[in-house]
Amino acid sequence: AQSVSQHNHHVILSEAASLELGCNYSYGGTVNLFWYVQYPGQHLQLLLKYFSGDPLVKGIKGFEAEFIKSKFSFNLRKPSVQWSDTAEYFCAVGSNFNKFYFGSGTKLNVKP
Amino acid sequence: EAGVTQFPSHSVIEKGQTVTLRCDPISGHDNLYWYRRVMGKEIKFLLHFVKESKQDESGMPNNRFLAERTGGTYSTLKVQPAELEDSGVYFCASSQTTSHEQFFGPGTRLTVL
Repeated sequence: AQSVSQHNHHVILSEAASLELGCNYSYGGTVNLFWYVQYPGQHLQLLLKYFSGDPLVKGIKGFEAEFIKSKFSFNLRKPSVQWSDTAEYFCAVGSNFNKFYFGSGTKLNVKP
Repeated sequence: EAGVTQFPSHSVIEKGQTVTLRCDPISGHDNLYWYRRVMGKEIKFLLHFVKESKQDESGMPNNRFLAERTGGTYSTLKVQPAELEDSGVYFCASSQTTSHEQFFGPGTRLTVL
């Protein structure tokens, strides 16, 4: 069965610390990979996406993610977090215009 | 361009009552999806429309849930009768036929007492 695992449920960092959020998936076939972010009181917004090509993808606000096919992983990274990055982050997997499978989300709290 | 909108933003009802949630997708998006997040758990797929047709309804929990998309524009999701376990946040998303990216609405928080 298809599934997405986000290993960190709650992460607390100080400003300027580096961030890496793990995402592993189990999915048969071609995948499209996404990271979404939900800031407090706001919509889910797309941070970045991977469809094909360069496995290192860059998104908005200095975020990047690397697709490692052999490890079925799509980890999210940011070299230096800011207080404004406090939000909940969701990894999602989809295929061919069909439904997404989401991880359970990671709440990031950045202390100023 | 307006994003995906959902109404109401919050709904509090008693067990056994009926609630109807509405989603207006981005204009021109043929694909419309419903998802639900029960507190603390993952966002789970409920249903996918392509225009007015149900493409995939494998995530619908049971026959108390009825989704419609008449005319291929907005969609409604009715829960009748509501049960306690139906509480959660219901998200709607839409996408173009040619894009894998889904755009999400703000969600409707449903509380069943």
